[in-house]
Amino acid sequence: SSDLSQDPAVSVALGQTVRITCQGDSLRSFYANWYQQKPEQAPVVVIYGKNNRPSGIPDRFSGSRSGNTASLTITGAQAEDEGDYYCHSRDSSGNHLNWVFGGGTKLTVL
Amino acid sequence: QVQLVQSGAEVKKPGASVKVSCKASGYPFNSYIITWVRQAPGQGLEWMGWINTYNGNTNYAQKFQGRVTMTTDTSTNTAYMELRSLRSDDTAVYFCARGTNHDILTGYVFDYWGQGTLVTVSS
Repeated sequence: SSDLSQDPAVSVALGQTVRITCQGDSLRSFYANWYQQKPEQAPVVVIYGKNNRPSGIPDRFSGSRSGNTASLTITGAQAEDEGDYYCHSRDSSGNHLNWVFGGGTKLTVL
Repeated sequence: QVQLVQSGAEVKKPGASVKVSCKASGYPFNSYIITWVRQAPGQGLEWMGWINTYNGNTNYAQKFQGRVTMTTDTSTNTAYMELRSLRSDDTAVYFCARGTNHDILTGYVFDYWGQGTLVTVSS
C-alpha cells in the first residue's frame, strides 16, 4: 500500500467541477504536487506546491490542502482532462528526501 | 528547449542487469536533480530515487536499495539507472525526470520527463 491514498476512479460530467483527493500523514507537513498522465505518455505536472500552475496549464486546475488531505480541483472539466492523476509528496518515513506517489485516480469525463 | 531522451527498449532474463540512459539537453545539467520513476503495465507510478547531478549524491527508495545504482556523466549530460537481479515484476516503463527544487514544503517538482524506456524481464 502507498503512503498516499487516492480513489481509484472518479467521473465528472462535461463542464462540471470535480475534486480529486490524496490522503497521507506527510501532507500535514508538506504540499502535494499533481501530475496528469494520458495513455502511452509521460506524466505532466499540473499543480505544484500550495497552488501553482506551470506555464501552459489551464486555470481550471487548482490545488488545496486541509489537514492530511490534498485536493486537485478541475472547475469546468473538459474532454481533454480525461486521464490518470497522481499526487506526489514525501513518504511517511520522516525523511524529507524520500518521495512517494499516490496510487492514481482515473478521471472520466462524461 | 529542455529535452530528456532515454535509451531504447530492453529485454532481459531474470537475474540479469539493465542500465537505462537519459540524455539531457537545453538546460544546465548540474543545476537540477534527476529522478527515476517506473510504471508496471497497467499500474501506477513508483518513485525509485534521485541523483544530485552536481555532487553525485543519491537517495534511493527503500524498496530498491542494494539493487539500484544511479550515476551521471557530466561530460555528456547523461544520467544512468542500473537495476540488478532483475525479476519478472521489474517489467515496466522506466522514466527519468528533471527535478526542480522549490520551497521546503513543496520540495522537488518533476517538470520535464523522458519518453520512457520499456524493460521486459522474461525467460
